[in-house]
Amino acid sequence: AQTVTQSQPEMSVQEAETVTLSCTYDTSESNYYLFWYKQPPSRQMILVIRQEAYKQQNATENRFSVNFQKAAKSFSLKISDSQLGDTAMYFCAFRPTGNQFYFGTGTSLTVIP
Amino acid sequence: DTGVSQDPRHKITKRGQNVTFRCDPISEHNRLYWYRQTLGQGPEFLTYFQNEAQLEKSRLLSDRFSAERPKGSFSTLEIQRTEQGDSAMYLCASSLPNRGYTFGSGTRLTVV
Repeated sequence: AQTVTQSQPEMSVQEAETVTLSCTYDTSESNYYLFWYKQPPSRQMILVIRQEAYKQQNATENRFSVNFQKAAKSFSLKISDSQLGDTAMYFCAFRPTGNQFYFGTGTSLTVIP
Repeated sequence: DTGVSQDPRHKITKRGQNVTFRCDPISEHNRLYWYRQTLGQGPEFLTYFQNEAQLEKSRLLSDRFSAERPKGSFSTLEIQRTEQGDSAMYLCASSLPNRGYTFGSGTRLTVV
């Protein structure tokens, strides 16, 4: 079975500080993709960052970076220099071979001014 | 082409009525997906199209649910004889192969 676990339902961070959101997944497949999506309140989901499992190098997109530990099946998201606009629900998603995405239950992040 | 469009944004319906939602994907995306998201949960997969072919259906998609993508462009999701448990956000997404999804804003269904 393919599962995604986000163990932090809620987190908060001071503006300009750094925060890390955790995600673990379970799969028997060796080739897959991992994603972090952001869902602001009442707004659509937006892709934050994407990682291919066959790449050892951790993906980075501006202030967003991941720590991908394939052996541990861990895929955490680090947000540096947090901004008020980062306040949102963050979903970790996993896509094995095939086309279905599996999402975690989300982490609600609040950036405190 | 500004992204994935979903219509309507909100739908309130009485239990037992039929509802239909529409999704217009990004024009060059051949893959289209429907997901359902309930409060406090991540999206759950419902079904997937590649062009006009419906290639995967979740067990969540009971026989009251039907989805079509007749010309490989827009898609519709119909729910017949709605139940209160159908209340959720219905998300549509499109993509190119091996790329991330682009989501629409969703249709929020409330069954009263």
